[in-house]
Amino acid sequence: DQQVKQNSPSLSVQEGRISILNCDYTNSMFDYFLWYKKYPAEGPTFLISISSIKDKNEDGRFTVFLNKSAKHLSLHIVPSQPGDSAVYFCAASGLTGTASKLTFGTGTRLQVTL
Amino acid sequence: DSGVTQTPKHLITATGQRVTLRCSPRSGDLSVYWYQQSLDQGLQFLIQYYNGEERAKGNILERFSAQQFPDLHSELNLSSLELGDSALYFCASSVVGSYDEQFFGPGTRLTVL
Repeated sequence: DQQVKQNSPSLSVQEGRISILNCDYTNSMFDYFLWYKKYPAEGPTFLISISSIKDKNEDGRFTVFLNKSAKHLSLHIVPSQPGDSAVYFCAASGLTGTASKLTFGTGTRLQVTL
Repeated sequence: DSGVTQTPKHLITATGQRVTLRCSPRSGDLSVYWYQQSLDQGLQFLIQYYNGEERAKGNILERFSAQQFPDLHSELNLSSLELGDSALYFCASSVVGSYDEQFFGPGTRLTVL
């Protein structure tokens, strides 16, 4: 039962263009969403997050959009740079207080070409 | 560098054996999490400890156990190892729990032969 889905296993984008990575979720109890970036042989690195009370959060070149009615979120990277080439994971959390666990999607491999 | 350290980096062992993976969280973080990443399963949450107490549990096998010590470091014990336990095991830490970003260590690659 995949509660967080990233349906595109890979994406190729030219340098300078926009990269759009998509994520869908099924569990309506999720109320906090995060994007992580992962390079080979390293742990995931936190990029950006969004709470369910917002529909957009921006941090530099990275913007996350949340559409709660569609249970969909997306990560926009503008402009894309070669160093952005990595695997991107969407994650969701629905616990409260001191309890937390992240449910991850299967990842999208982004390649930014010159 | 996330500030989370994990040892060892690599571990090769045989079926039926027991291993211990160690994690030191970022300074000031009270929560520690364990995740397993295998080829066909993606990143799967195993367990969370907050200030020494278990707080959340995922699909952790009964052969696996964890604890968090008073100095807040954590250990994940895997016993009666099977070939299918071969995976990357990540530790993460956060300040408290929900609505906090989790910071991941570099992982321990376990190979069971």
